[in-house]
Amino acid sequence: GAVVSQHPSRVICKSGTSVKIECRSLDFQATTMFWYRQFPKQSLMLMATSNEGSKATYEQGVEKDKFLINHASLTLSTLTVTSAHPEDSSFYICSASGAGETTGELFFGEGSRLTVL
Amino acid sequence: RKEVEQDPGPFNVPEGATVAFNCTYSNSASQSFFWYRQDCRKEPKLLMSVYSSGNEDGRFTAQLNRASQYISLLIRDSKLSDSATYLCAEYGGATNKLIFGTGTLLAVQP
Repeated sequence: GAVVSQHPSRVICKSGTSVKIECRSLDFQATTMFWYRQFPKQSLMLMATSNEGSKATYEQGVEKDKFLINHASLTLSTLTVTSAHPEDSSFYICSASGAGETTGELFFGEGSRLTVL
Repeated sequence: RKEVEQDPGPFNVPEGATVAFNCTYSNSASQSFFWYRQDCRKEPKLLMSVYSSGNEDGRFTAQLNRASQYISLLIRDSKLSDSATYLCAEYGGATNKLIFGTGTLLAVQP
């Protein structure tokens, strides 16, 4: 099946710094990528949808200036958590769908666990 | 009302038992549904897709009831390795979003 790779898998940073997470589709062109966040013992919450070459669409309550999303190519999307604070500590997971995908089947990255000290 | 709702559990069952999870959804226009399995601190992995009335794969059976707006997952002959969180998700074509439920924790006991 299609593979989506996320990097880094784990990151620890100091409060106030910015952290970039990469999501790559390895064997298909991902026209749309989705970024989810999951707090402990909670479900995956959709943060934003990014389409290649256009601005991301953020879900209600997600600050676009804090969570910068770039989808510059068909195989790479990045999420940058700017000025991270301890409450941003979470499991961030990306997923991707290919061109023409209409069934909703997504391929997930391995996730990135962010800990802000 | 949440878009997708699940009983969080935990469901503690002995090996060999049959266990069923339900998941209700609010968007009547949802086109497809999925059951994902998520192990602790890992990404979700697709278990089954449900596009029409149901789907069966070995010990796992998923059913969709559009009239009552719920999907179910039945696991027969539970194995220790089935212990995980099971997430249901619904896809509404017009919104192009996959929305997850809170997940149901299953613990299969020896």
